Amino acid sequence: GENVEQHPSTLSVQEGDSAVIKCTYSDSASNYFPWYKQELGKRPQLIIDIRSNVGEKKDQRIAVTLNKTAKHFSLHITETQPEDSAVYFCAASSTSGTYKYIFGTGTRLKVLA
Amino acid sequence: ETGVTQTPRHLVMGMTNKKSLKCEQHLGHNAMYWYKQSAKKPLELMFVYSLEERVENNSVPSRFSPECPNSSHLFLHLHTLQPEDSALYLCASSDGLAGADTQYFGPGTRLTVL
Repeated sequence: GENVEQHPSTLSVQEGDSAVIKCTYSDSASNYFPWYKQELGKRPQLIIDIRSNVGEKKDQRIAVTLNKTAKHFSLHITETQPEDSAVYFCAASSTSGTYKYIFGTGTRLKVLA
Repeated sequence: ETGVTQTPRHLVMGMTNKKSLKCEQHLGHNAMYWYKQSAKKPLELMFVYSLEERVENNSVPSRFSPECPNSSHLFLHLHTLQPEDSALYLCASSDGLAGADTQYFGPGTRLTVL
């Protein structure tokens, strides 16, 4: 069945450096790609999303890029701060046919002060 | 953060017990979801409800029984669970069921099955 692969599973960066997390999806009908952040003991929360009609979206220090041909999308965090430490989940969703909203396995990001 | 609430926050139950998880959303959304979150595994979608009708059941064992009496409330009834069912159960809601909506999650219920 359809799945979403996410890499790396863990990522450690120095404060101020950039972090990149990559996801690959298999369902070519996917057209919505959100990213969620889950801090320890808290609920997942949307931080940014992108739809298939654009290739890049940016919101302050966070950006997402999408390559529909290669079926992969990436989260970019610049100037990382300790409060960016969390688990990040990507997801791929389709608006056609059966309801699908498939999450990646998550990336644990540690920003070292 | 009071948009989506869940009770209880923690639950310990034996394999022969019957318990229920409750979710309530105060966002005026039309769709609600149950997810299971286990360590080192992706969020697993269990059930989807749109306007109180179940639209998705992802091959979930019958020992999990959902109920959606109205668009603001969602329950997950549990009976004769197994230890491997121990996990964080997250409820979520979204504005629509287009599949292209932000999911708003509750805080989750940490379930331990002894």
